[in-house]
Amino acid sequence: GAGVSQSPSNKVTEKGKDVELRCDPISGHTALYWYRQSLGQGLEFLIYFQGNSAPDKSGLPSDRFSAERTGGSVSTLTIQRTQQEDSAVYLCASSSAGTQPQHFGDGTRLSIL
Amino acid sequence: AQSVTQPDIHITVSEGASLELRCNYSYGATPYLFWYVQSPGQGLQLLLKYFSGDTLVQGIKGFEAEFKRSQSSFNLRKPSVHWSDAAEYFCAVGKTYGGSQGNLIFGKGTKLSVKP
Repeated sequence: GAGVSQSPSNKVTEKGKDVELRCDPISGHTALYWYRQSLGQGLEFLIYFQGNSAPDKSGLPSDRFSAERTGGSVSTLTIQRTQQEDSAVYLCASSSAGTQPQHFGDGTRLSIL
Repeated sequence: AQSVTQPDIHITVSEGASLELRCNYSYGATPYLFWYVQSPGQGLQLLLKYFSGDTLVQGIKGFEAEFKRSQSSFNLRKPSVHWSDAAEYFCAVGKTYGGSQGNLIFGKGTKLSVKP
């Protein structure tokens, strides 16, 4: 497809379970970003991948959160031992190099019971 | 620290009226500035961006924004609002890394309602 694809679109899980969220960026985009959108906190940056460089993890809220990007394309955001405060919409974005703007997927809505 | 302020949480305008959404930023260097729009259940769609050059930038759907360095502002405008413009609007500043764009810092958003 032409846009950023995220799956699943909705995920409901029990507190304490691990979840994996997937992002397929636009083909050829070297930069990939994860954000979290929640009612209380708005849009928050989580992690940023640029090419083969070490990712910028400065936005990850705790060590329960991790992300990887395989082969410079698909990325997976993993949340271990989920807590109710992890409930949010997780948005992925990608951009080509330099100053090009970020293009967003429709997000994954995560609900922790 | 970098930050973005959108002072209006919710704005209601009549269809056909003009619109201005306010955005102020705090950033040490020359910022990359963006406006995005989000409809319910959707991701963010880019309306327009400012990197350098002409301080008045045109975007999609008839929107424009003006960068005013002296006021640290990047307000979004539209001369005549349509009912389909009802959505939430986010202003963002892009962190820079040696000329490349890093992550975005977002304002809290302004929800726009349009009266018929």
